[in-house]
Parts: sequence; C-alpha cells; structure tokens
Amino acid sequence: DAGVIQSPRHEVTEMGQEVTLRCKPISGHDYLFWYRQTMMRGLELLIYFNNNVPIDDSGMPEDRFSAKMPNASFSTLKIQPSEPRDSAVYFCASRQYLRQGALSGELFFGEGSRLTVL
Amino acid sequence: AQKVTQAQTEISVVEKEDVTLDCVYETRDTTYYLFWYKQPPSGELVFLIRRNSFDEQNEISGRYSWNFQKSTSSFNFTITASQVVDSAVYFCALSLFMNRDDKIIFGKGTRLHILP
Repeated sequence: DAGVIQSPRHEVTEMGQEVTLRCKPISGHDYLFWYRQTMMRGLELLIYFNNNVPIDDSGMPEDRFSAKMPNASFSTLKIQPSEPRDSAVYFCASRQYLRQGALSGELFFGEGSRLTVL
Repeated sequence: AQKVTQAQTEISVVEKEDVTLDCVYETRDTTYYLFWYKQPPSGELVFLIRRNSFDEQNEISGRYSWNFQKSTSSFNFTITASQVVDSAVYFCALSLFMNRDDKIIFGKGTRLHILP
C-alpha cells in the first residue's frame, strides 16, 4: 500500500501569493494531521481531522491558513496570502484508529512539502 | 497541559559509543501512548516505537532500547554501539486518548551526530 503522499515536494513563491499544499493519506486511515516544522519551533501541529471533520485547529497560526478535507482520500492546506515567516517544511500524516481497548496507531508521515516564501 | 521535553538539543558521540536520548513528558491522563521517531538528513519521519501507559516493560530492538519509567515520567532511548547511520534528529512524542479525539504532541527533538 502506498504511504502518505504529499505535493508539491518543494515550492518557492513570492510574498503575497497563494500556496496550496496537498495530501493523500493512507487508505483506511481515520485521522489526518498537518504539521509544520521549523528550526525555531520544531514540529507544530496545525490541525487534524477525524473522518474528514476538523477536530482541532488551534494550532493554525492565523486566518491566512486554512485546511480542508473534502473526502477521505484528500486534504489541502492553503496559505493566502503567504509571508516569508511561513517558510517551513509542512508534513501531512495519517493514522488509523484502533478499536477501543487496543493501542492507538502510530502516525505515518509523508515526505513533506518544503515551502520557501521570498 | 500536555508537554514533551527533550532537554538535549544536540549530542555528539564517537562511533561505537553508547548514547542515551532523554524524554520527559507531562500529562494528567492515565491512558496515553509514547512514541519515538527518527528524522534522518533526508528529512522523512520514521516511526521507531510505540509504548502504552500500562506497559512499563523496557524494550530492546537490536541496538536500540527504550526505558519507560512512569515514576519519573520518562521514556528514554538508548543506542548501543552507535553507527554513523544513526545520525539524525530524534523526536519523542505523546499521544493522549480521550474518546476518539486524540493528537500526538512532539518534543523539540534531539539532534544526534555520530562521528566516525
């Protein structure tokens, strides 16, 4: 089975432009997470979904960031307008809920999208 | 509040030495899971181990071993006879379990350099 697939792998854009990052989770996984990684802050959870429904978006930095999951196999993270401080690696990860009493599954990460905003 | 602390920002050891990466966590929940992930220079995040709060048994996998102690809220990771390929950033993570809405919280990571 294919892993988590993210696109694009690299994006260079100018300040003010809209950026859309895409993610395809592992089939059958109930949860989808968006993380941002920077040297200063490490891995930050931005938002996560359970069965396509956003559960916690408290990590989304500001209104310029939005995320959607229209179906179980696709999610987007959009930044509009982008700013230089948004430069980071954005990871998507998915996870399968194991039935009550069982261990919760580990996160499977995509390879990340490296965003550079000039 | 839940928190994961990896106090060692960066460690350098000479190849073949043993090295321990520390992880201290905070949570009020009694049911939780702990994880270690590895991020090699290529950038991907690789799952290493998962542990649940009911099981304090230590685990060994080849040169890797993990020591889980609830009394000190620690989940330390030891690499025995380190190799250059172990050079990476290692993340400890905590997952709470409240109903179905759980999330994984990561520490800031420890960058490990294995010197030849």
